[in-house]
Amino acid sequence: SQQGEEDPQALSIQEGENATMNCSYKTSINNLQWYRQNSGRGLVHLILIRSNEREKHSGRLRVTLDTSKKSSSLLITASRAADTASYFCATDSGGGADGLTFGKGTHLIIQP
Amino acid sequence: DAGITQSPRHKVTETGTPVTLRCHQTENHRYMYWYRQDPGHGLRLIHYSYGVKDTDKGEVSDGYSVSRSKTEDFLLTLESATSSQTSVYFCAISAAMNTGELFFGEGSRLTVL
Repeated sequence: SQQGEEDPQALSIQEGENATMNCSYKTSINNLQWYRQNSGRGLVHLILIRSNEREKHSGRLRVTLDTSKKSSSLLITASRAADTASYFCATDSGGGADGLTFGKGTHLIIQP
Repeated sequence: DAGITQSPRHKVTETGTPVTLRCHQTENHRYMYWYRQDPGHGLRLIHYSYGVKDTDKGEVSDGYSVSRSKTEDFLLTLESATSSQTSVYFCAISAAMNTGELFFGEGSRLTVL
């Protein structure tokens, strides 16, 4: 079963605008990760946030984690055409076993 | 880029035939994973390995088997392919289970007719 669920399923914005994607999960976690997938390619790791962290930054990426609401958000600032991709959140099961569970992803389109 | 190679990258086969997908890594990472990606389902874990000859089932393991005889190679076998196994298969590796990032291969697109 899916641990993480992204919202929205699809998002289309103009270049230069900010893009926000959300992820909700069901059970306790040790960490949450975000990945990007360009069309026809494998997933690429973007950022990891631990359960005891509330916010993390990496370049134009900002990730927040609210463990009380079991949710996370990924903000991409000043979007570029090259940011067009699908974005996935991934969570562990909290127990250290079974690998990461991925959501269905948000497909982001940046209009030039 | 992490050294992960999947082969074949594309394969078309018929129902009932055996298929083996290979994942080869040059990173010496302990953990290796096979995921499948389908529209509407995202990525789902099939099997994973935490060392040579040490493997375990994931969420969707029925109809699949795996083997890891060397650190660098993780094989996924469909003993008798079915149309429901048409999918894109991704291999991933990590140095730590769950707490570290996954590095993905480029995927193997399998079509079962």
